[in-house]
Amino acid sequence: DTGVSQDPRHKITKRGQNVTFRCDPISEHNRLYWYRQTLGQGPEFLTYFQNEAQLEKSRLLSDRFSAERPKGSFSTLEIQRTEQGDSAMYLCAGNKQGLHYGYTFGSGTRLTVV
Amino acid sequence: TQLLEQSPQFLSIQEGENLTVYCNSSSVFSSLQWYRQEPGEGPVLLVTVVTGGEVKKLKRLTFQFGDARKDSSLHITAAQPGDTGLYLCAGDSGAQKLVFGQGTRLTINP
Repeated sequence: DTGVSQDPRHKITKRGQNVTFRCDPISEHNRLYWYRQTLGQGPEFLTYFQNEAQLEKSRLLSDRFSAERPKGSFSTLEIQRTEQGDSAMYLCAGNKQGLHYGYTFGSGTRLTVV
Repeated sequence: TQLLEQSPQFLSIQEGENLTVYCNSSSVFSSLQWYRQEPGEGPVLLVTVVTGGEVKKLKRLTFQFGDARKDSSLHITAAQPGDTGLYLCAGDSGAQKLVFGQGTRLTINP
């Protein structure tokens, strides 16, 4: 394992289209987090998984957003009917049990909705 | 809602100068972390501080956790252009996730 991988790195989509992002964490990361970061701001929490269970969703995550982590390995984040306000960097992070160890982030997916 | 306020938001200094970045909150955190983020990349963990009053050093970087575990500082000695980046503090309030500050964008000019 060389780190947390995110795909794609960049996505440009038209308003109203659906997009899906993928995150592949390091194998020992039983916790997986999704954050959103807009320009000049810190990351904002969206949701997290412990193994395959989605344990918390932020109020930021509207009904248009859904995330899955089948079999507790990779995760996907889907945004339906994208809006211009969805434009942001979407970051995935993995963690062993215990936040003391910190997050290992992927390089992110930069979404631009035009 | 736990908020982490970082100051300053922007800092531009000359190579060789010293600087301090602050991270403050009204909430208590069981641990606090500092990350550095470069453009187009995810944040990278620099350090975790756990005990009130704790000081950790990482080469020219010194991190301090406040006695009450509500604030932290990052001091850089003799800054170099390679220190340029977005510095983020993040706190663990026991809610199973990290809360991030808005970041300090640091530019070191040669």
